[in-house]
Amino acid sequence: GAVVSQHPSRVICKSGTSVKIECRSLDFQATTMFWYRQFPKQSLMLMATSNEGSKATYEQGVEKDKFLINHASLTLSTLTVTSAHPEDSSFYICSANEREGYTDTQYFGPGTRLTVL
Amino acid sequence: KNQVEQSPQSLIILEGKNCTLQCNYTVSPFSNLRWYKQDTGRGPVSLTIMTFSENTKSNGRYTATLDADTKQSSLHITASQLSDSASYICVVYKGAQKLVFGQGTRLTINP
Repeated sequence: GAVVSQHPSRVICKSGTSVKIECRSLDFQATTMFWYRQFPKQSLMLMATSNEGSKATYEQGVEKDKFLINHASLTLSTLTVTSAHPEDSSFYICSANEREGYTDTQYFGPGTRLTVL
Repeated sequence: KNQVEQSPQSLIILEGKNCTLQCNYTVSPFSNLRWYKQDTGRGPVSLTIMTFSENTKSNGRYTATLDADTKQSSLHITASQLSDSASYICVVYKGAQKLVFGQGTRLTINP
């Protein structure tokens, strides 16, 4: 199957700093990528849909000025958590969409654990 | 309302035993249903994909079923191994690129 990578896998930062997370599709091009957030023992919650070359679409309740998304190429999307606070600590997972025929499949990255002190 | 409900919430079985996880969904439109395995601290990995017309699909020791009439799916794991300990998430693809996630079943395999 297709491979999606994320970097870094784990990051610890001080409150007030900004953190950038990269999501790459390694062996396919992804016009659309997605960013999810997952709290302990809960399922994935979609934060935003990232489209190459255009602005991201954010889900209701997600602050677009706090979670900046850039999808500059067909293989790279970045999520920047600006002025991070402890409540932003979470597991962030990206996915990249691949269309095969008429079927869309989202391939998930391994996730990034963000801890804000 | 688009929902995916899984049961049980958690399950503990002994190594070598079989188990079945359940998924009920009310999602429309329906594109396909997938079971994902998510190890702790990792992203989900697809196990099976089932379209509307498919009833059963196997992937090694994993066998998924789908009843589109009752909107139910199950994932059967045969001869469980310690490495099967993970969360199993039922995901319904609703049209193009829209996913509805279940809460997952946390499976623990004890030696």
